Amino acid sequence: SSVLTQPPSVSVAPGKTARITCAGNNIGSTTVHWYQQKPGQAPVLVIYYDTDRPSGIPERLSGSNSGNVATLTISRVEAGDEADYYCQVWDSSTEQVVFGGGTKLTVL
Amino acid sequence: EVQLVQSGAVVKKPGESLKISCDTSGYTFTNHWVGWVRQMPGKGLEWIGFIYPYDSDTKYSPSFQGQVTISADKFISMAYLQWNSLKASDTAIYYCVRRASPGYCSGGNCNVFDHWGQGTLVTVSS
Repeated sequence: SSVLTQPPSVSVAPGKTARITCAGNNIGSTTVHWYQQKPGQAPVLVIYYDTDRPSGIPERLSGSNSGNVATLTISRVEAGDEADYYCQVWDSSTEQVVFGGGTKLTVL
Repeated sequence: EVQLVQSGAVVKKPGESLKISCDTSGYTFTNHWVGWVRQMPGKGLEWIGFIYPYDSDTKYSPSFQGQVTISADKFISMAYLQWNSLKASDTAIYYCVRRASPGYCSGGNCNVFDHWGQGTLVTVSS
């Protein structure tokens, strides 16, 4: 079954670029989705199908997926990007939804 | 506008039963799977399972199989999550979610959740 590993925390200064990784065995062969959860709020889908953005999500957020790592990249980081970010896949071998452990993004 | 509105926070004692709800609107309820996700205090997201309201087909995570029951009423566009005997370890926020892809569809592209309810806090304490 899939195990998705995310760094517990990432820190970045405003205006810089944050990269949040999601590691899994051959994750590049499946489709990864990303959710943003701000404190006290429900998660929101920010990237789906590896690279697509739902309407209303800024272009500063982008995704990539290759080999054993998927990455969520946030360019020109703003204070409002501070949140927990979760990657998610569908494990077709077990027919289960799998979430990564989550990464807390701190804007310095 | 798609909306998932969940029932309010609840406090229960161990051993009690509970059914929480998710009231959906803004789309054809029977077309999309509706699921539930748990978030224990200070922890990450865990998938519980989902149901296809059209025919009530249900899939559970092995971690939750037998521990909870997911159901739906397609006549009033509501989904439910139910416990027969709560434990203190069930204390968490529970989110209902809509699967973006309609109908029967397999693979990673299908299983993404595009709309989330606001969450229901369930506290189980003696």
